[in-house]
Amino acid sequence: AAGVIQSPRHLIKEKRETATLKCYPIPRHDTVYWYQQGPGQDPQFLISFYEKMQSDKGSIPDRFSAQQFSDYHSELNMSSLELGDSALYFCASSATGEPEAFFGQGTRLTVV
Amino acid sequence: AQSVSQHNHHVILSEAASLELGCNYSYGGTVNLFWYVQYPGQHLQLLLKYFSGDPLVKGIKGFEAEFIKSKFSFNLRKPSVQWSDTAEYFCAPEYGNKLVFGAGTILRVKS
Repeated sequence: AAGVIQSPRHLIKEKRETATLKCYPIPRHDTVYWYQQGPGQDPQFLISFYEKMQSDKGSIPDRFSAQQFSDYHSELNMSSLELGDSALYFCASSATGEPEAFFGQGTRLTVV
Repeated sequence: AQSVSQHNHHVILSEAASLELGCNYSYGGTVNLFWYVQYPGQHLQLLLKYFSGDPLVKGIKGFEAEFIKSKFSFNLRKPSVQWSDTAEYFCAPEYGNKLVFGAGTILRVKS
């Protein structure tokens, strides 16, 4: 069965650079969620989209932005990267009426 | 406030021992409840879920959890753990269509 696809799997950036993470939800899933998991920490909700509109916002820094496109894939844009942004970024997707979210394998971002 | 509390951060068990991981969540009306597992170096995988109905739910790999509404609890159990159960376990109630993860419990099973 198709799963949530995230790319890239690994990314190394320098401080003050910009990064773009991509998430391709399971086909027919209309909701996408982004989570950030710092080293040794629990996943923290960043932002979610439903039908290409932002549906909820968590602890997402102003330096980050995200959007969901017409094909339902989502991109998380991160600017002015800081060392503290080093983390595993998970994307999850779900379908309307089905509260279970399926997670991708994550993008490990390292800021040096 | 929407919150979730996992009682133990680290648990060490021998193989064949029984496991119970505690999870309490803050009241928020109707809430869907999930347990996720994260094996070393891997992504989050769903263990089991509770939406409604029978409060005792069974998941994959012999795990089960019991929803006790009066205690706002959703404890995870397994009668006999295996070395391969070594992982981090997250309780995650769903509030307003987003998951709120607990701090996680790292389980190490000694062979």
